[in-house]
Amino acid sequence: EVHLVESGGGLVQPGGSLRLSCVASGFTFSGYWMHWVRQVPGKGLVWVSGISSDGSGTTYADSVKGRFTISRDNAKNTLNLQMNSLRADDTAVYFCARDTRYAPDYWGQGTLVTVSS
Amino acid sequence: QSALTQPRSVSGSPGLSVTISCTGTSSDVGGYNYVSWYQQHPGKAPKFMIYDVTKRPSGVPDRFSGYKSGNTASLTISGLQAEDEADYYCCSYAGSYTWVFGGGTKLTVL
Repeated sequence: EVHLVESGGGLVQPGGSLRLSCVASGFTFSGYWMHWVRQVPGKGLVWVSGISSDGSGTTYADSVKGRFTISRDNAKNTLNLQMNSLRADDTAVYFCARDTRYAPDYWGQGTLVTVSS
Repeated sequence: QSALTQPRSVSGSPGLSVTISCTGTSSDVGGYNYVSWYQQHPGKAPKFMIYDVTKRPSGVPDRFSGYKSGNTASLTISGLQAEDEADYYCCSYAGSYTWVFGGGTKLTVL
């Protein structure tokens, strides 16, 4: 069974940094693109970033480009999101999701990031 | 990277059908047959309901169906049940391994 478990969320001050992780199990992690999607509580889903199966290709939403860095460690079945220069509007639940045929199929339960002074 | 347009809310009575629309552009919905739909209950992760516009993942009831014409996709839920009450999101591939989501539609089963 596919499982994705995010961690690393929490409270951080504006301008600060946070690193999110997502540990995958139940499938061949190294065979899939992976993505981060965020959701402000009570609002809609927003795609954030994606990374190719071998880590050589990355994509970012304009709103996070230059501030966030996606990476992965296929030996540890782990997806990461390094978030720098955080702003109040980055406050959201962050989900990791597996990409299958150009759509996210499995999702983690999410980790809440709160940016506030 | 503008969000796809969905109605904020729809409603229907048990046993009847509802359709949720999702409008994008030729750069996303209209340009690819990679529209997917998600059901999300409060506090839960999204659940994969439709992919490639019309296909259902294993385990999703055939009461859920998808369609696309031009830049607009739609999700139809027939034989409404109480447990279908949730938020629904469309998603489209937008090229270069990027996705765009709709703003979400709250379905109320009357």
